[in-house]
Amino acid sequence: ETGVTQTPRHLVMGMTNKKSLKCEQHLGHNAMYWYKQSAKKPLELMFVYNFKEQTENNSVPSRFSPECPNSSHLFLHLHTLQPEDSALYLCASSQVSSGNTIYFGEGSWLTVV
Amino acid sequence: QKEVEQNSGPLSVPEGAIASLNCTYSDRGSQSFFWYRQYSGKSPELIMFIYSNGDKEDGRFTAQLNKASQYVSLLIRDSQPSDSATYLCAVRKTGSSNTGKLIFGQGTTLQVKP
Repeated sequence: ETGVTQTPRHLVMGMTNKKSLKCEQHLGHNAMYWYKQSAKKPLELMFVYNFKEQTENNSVPSRFSPECPNSSHLFLHLHTLQPEDSALYLCASSQVSSGNTIYFGEGSWLTVV
Repeated sequence: QKEVEQNSGPLSVPEGAIASLNCTYSDRGSQSFFWYRQYSGKSPELIMFIYSNGDKEDGRFTAQLNKASQYVSLLIRDSQPSDSATYLCAVRKTGSSNTGKLIFGQGTTLQVKP
């Protein structure tokens, strides 16, 4: 499935680094999401963007900063992360309120050292 | 109480058997329910969704919903080794029209042994 592409696929960063995750969807959708999947924990919704406007921040620490310049692109800017932030970060897209399917990207594996 | 609960497993079944995966949810107002399959190292993919009480069949998969008991299940008939994966139950957040605002369980790992 290449409808939602994420880069990089793997990232190792130090706690003082600044990095960004990128997501692009080629499906013509108008909603984009960031989910976090940690070991032994359920997938957690982090942010929701509808028509490039943020509509939900699920109590995410400010060291995670999303950006959605248009309906096709979504970024997650990372700075001063903690080792416990190591996880799989999944981007997804959908139509805002029609249809039943969200499409996930392959994810970005993040390791904070 | 977790919003969406699943037994983490692993659930082990022999090839050709029926695998039964269960999920309970806490929000009685929930309306939309989803089953995703996630292979190791891969992203989740949608298998089925169900909105109404009763059964919904799609090939070897049957989703069952009982809103009174706040229970949703997934049956996989004629299980194959390729069905070995983690199965995630998800519930759409009540009051949300956003397709993708889902609450996930932690998943059940299914192992189908040849």
